[in-house]
Amino acid sequence: QLQLQESGPGLVKPSETLSLTCTVSGGSISSSSYYWGWIRQPPGKGLEWIGSIYYSGSTYYNPSLKSRVTISVDTSKNQFSLKLSSVTAADTAVYYCARHSSSSDYWGQGTLVTVSS
Amino acid sequence: EIVMTQSPATLSVSPGERATLSCRASQSVSSNLAWYQQKPGQAPRLLIYGASTRATGIPARFSGSGSGTEFTLTISSLQSEDFAVYYCQQYNNWPPAYTFGQGTKLEIK
Repeated sequence: QLQLQESGPGLVKPSETLSLTCTVSGGSISSSSYYWGWIRQPPGKGLEWIGSIYYSGSTYYNPSLKSRVTISVDTSKNQFSLKLSSVTAADTAVYYCARHSSSSDYWGQGTLVTVSS
Repeated sequence: EIVMTQSPATLSVSPGERATLSCRASQSVSSNLAWYQQKPGQAPRLLIYGASTRATGIPARFSGSGSGTEFTLTISSLQSEDFAVYYCQQYNNWPPAYTFGQGTKLEIK
């Protein structure tokens, strides 16, 4: 059974960089059939796609966040990572990692990241 | 950017009754649409993809229909565990992007 697990700091200061890692177990991140993505959800609000990566390293980002987002993959560790720079309180959210071909069939449990000094 | 609009924002239905949720795209997405269910404190769960195909393990009371710009998720006989928030998502222009609707909260009447 495929499992995804987010990890990283739960508190980030304004203007700093948010960094999260998603560890994939029970399957290979190098599968040619899938992309690996990040989605976030501010408290009490809806879902927002942040960006996705293919195992080869090709990346796709939400245009509204593109200038601040970097997603990378480490196939040797079966992990992919998110960096979001210059964060503000508006970036406070639960951050999910997920597998998708088109729709997202496996999700991590999510991790709350709060931006506060 | 394709904008997805869900209606209503909140739907109140009694257990055992039918629920019908709508999702509209700002331009055609063909059948490239998925539905997700999210319960409090949980990650979203994929229900429907390709507008009408149930994901693995999803009960038959969930059905999806539509194509182009108008889509519907129907839950034929509501169970207590079905009260949750439902999101539609288009992936017609994937890659490079996909977008979610704002969600419909299905609550007990």
